[in-house]
Amino acid sequence: DGGITQSPKYLFRKEGQNVTLSCEQNLNHDAMYWYRQDPGQGLRLIYYSQIVNDFQKGDIAEGYSVSREKKESFPLTVTSAQKNPTAFYLCASSIKSGGSTDTQYFGPGTRLTVL
Amino acid sequence: DQQVKQNSPSLSVQEGRISILNCDYTNSMFDYFLWYKKYPAEGPTFLISISSIKDKNEDGRFTVFLNKSAKHLSLHIVPSQPGDSAVYFCAAVIQHTGNQFYFGTGTSLTVIP
Repeated sequence: DGGITQSPKYLFRKEGQNVTLSCEQNLNHDAMYWYRQDPGQGLRLIYYSQIVNDFQKGDIAEGYSVSREKKESFPLTVTSAQKNPTAFYLCASSIKSGGSTDTQYFGPGTRLTVL
Repeated sequence: DQQVKQNSPSLSVQEGRISILNCDYTNSMFDYFLWYKKYPAEGPTFLISISSIKDKNEDGRFTVFLNKSAKHLSLHIVPSQPGDSAVYFCAAVIQHTGNQFYFGTGTSLTVIP
């Protein structure tokens, strides 16, 4: 089945540790995105990538890092510099980017809790 | 600065009646709008979209209306069903600048059987 997978679904980490969230898609989509959702807030864009080996900061990139070495994969690292890392993280992808709009399709999300 | 706003955090509707979810935006450059539905602990799923060249788009029980002069869009669900109970997000994008979506804060819809 084609789709977007995120793993793990629930993740617990100690304060001060870096943690990497996985996002994989087999939809052959060019663009991939990371959002974070907090209670009472909409989805806020962390990073996005329109093509392999290229990515741009979103609205709340501080304390996060990403890589896009393969079209299918867009892992997000939550670093110890992120002051409030506990949140629900969503990965999305779209078929193409720039010039026209294509619907973003979301993965199931990862709930990160920092203890 | 929140460019897309959903001012009603929650809405309750009786089964079979109409649900109307509202969304306002501030950036007049937005030219494409989408609605997503989200269940707890799951990713949002695409529901319906509308381009700024239209003022209405219909898909089954779901209709989205766009009022560009008021910078307002709404999602109508008729008839509402208990399975429609979820959080609904509107999103807006400026197409020629790329594919960055701006999401509202969401409205939690409860359809009462």
